[in-house]
Amino acid sequence: NAGVMQNPRHLVRRRGQEARLRCSPMKGHSHVYWYRQLPEEGLKFMVYLQKENIIDESGMPKERFSAEFPKEGPSILRIQQVVRGDSAAYFCASSPPTTAGTGSFNEQFFGPGTRLTVL
Amino acid sequence: SQQGEEDPQALSIQEGENATMNCSYKTSINNLQWYRQNSGRGLVHLILIRSNEREKHSGRLRVTLDTSKKSSSLLITASRAADTASYFCATGSGGSNYKLTFGKGTLLTVNP
Repeated sequence: NAGVMQNPRHLVRRRGQEARLRCSPMKGHSHVYWYRQLPEEGLKFMVYLQKENIIDESGMPKERFSAEFPKEGPSILRIQQVVRGDSAAYFCASSPPTTAGTGSFNEQFFGPGTRLTVL
Repeated sequence: SQQGEEDPQALSIQEGENATMNCSYKTSINNLQWYRQNSGRGLVHLILIRSNEREKHSGRLRVTLDTSKKSSSLLITASRAADTASYFCATGSGGSNYKLTFGKGTLLTVNP
């Protein structure tokens, strides 16, 4: 069973260009999460998606960033008109369908990340 | 400061020694997790401890949780060079605790 796959692993863009980051969850996982890690920082939650639904995008910047998880195909994190401050590592994680209860926890399995560099 | 802050920021030890990392958090939690990140790689889940647990073991790992002090510690015994990595604690919020909040991590270097 392949783990979470992300591509590209490294992406270089010039200011003003668009960046598209892809994430294929583990087989059987229907939940996808995106996190951003700035240099020397911990990961910051961005968005939580299920198939064709955005569940929580409270960590996403209001402008230029969007995410989707279509019925077929990988989840996409899209950054329009990139700026230097967008340079970071973007990690995707996936988990199986949620179990009920406030004390429940579904382990998130992380991909290797995409390192975005904006020149 | 943010939820889930680890200290020390960096720790350098010799192979065979024990390594202890601490994590403090601010709000009430249902559980706390520890992750490892090798340089340039994704995160690997190490261990989860629930709020009603005080200690948990997994192989050479021992995690403690003190909810009264809002702190946790990760002990790695008999360290190996392969343990060299950054270690993060994370707390969950949201239904099923999906929204993980990470600290800045502790960079552990184990010298052979």
